[in-house]
Amino acid sequence: KNQVEQSPQSLIILEGKNCTLQCNYTVSPFSNLRWYKQDTGRGPVSLTIMTFSENTKSNGRYTATLDADTKQSSLHITASQLSDSASYICVVSAGNTDKLIFGTGTRLQVFP
Amino acid sequence: NAGVTQTPKFQVLKTGQSMTLQCAQDMNHEYMSWYRQDPGMGLRLIHYSVGAGITDQGEVPNGYNVSRSTTEDFPLRLLSAAPSQTSVYFCASSYRSGGSRNTIYFGEGSWLTVV
Repeated sequence: KNQVEQSPQSLIILEGKNCTLQCNYTVSPFSNLRWYKQDTGRGPVSLTIMTFSENTKSNGRYTATLDADTKQSSLHITASQLSDSASYICVVSAGNTDKLIFGTGTRLQVFP
Repeated sequence: NAGVTQTPKFQVLKTGQSMTLQCAQDMNHEYMSWYRQDPGMGLRLIHYSVGAGITDQGEVPNGYNVSRSTTEDFPLRLLSAAPSQTSVYFCASSYRSGGSRNTIYFGEGSWLTVV
């Protein structure tokens, strides 16, 4: 069964600190992996998109990594800001159906 | 650019009532879809469309209808609202389907409560 699992479920950090969010998937065949940021009460906004051949993709202070062999991805946030408080959703596309499989997200809270 | 616009933002319905959630995009995207987001679950696909006049069912289509008469608009109709349809609904659009590298844009969501 195609699944995307994210950890931790929630995370609290202090402003200025770094953090890493994890995404494990069992989607086959793999097409691409996306990370989205969803602010409370808003729609998801795309951060990165990675295909099989890409190991790392950066978007400002956000850096996503992909290990297609172990089927793991991580999202690293550097020098966190209060505005980083949001849910971060990992989404994997199944290549044979173009179906998107969504993780349940990691809720990040950044405190001053 | 407006991107993906959803209306209404909030709606309360009584069981058995019908309503339509509107979705419009101004990016000339062929691919549009509707998702629902429930606590503790990932977004689930309700219906999708690969172009005007073409629609198909997603993972949880029961109780919902869609149509795609124009490239810009993709309304979602609740035929006879049930409490199980209380959820947050997101419309999304992209140039092509999710299997390609193109960015998928989401609307701001519609909060629906069925009492």
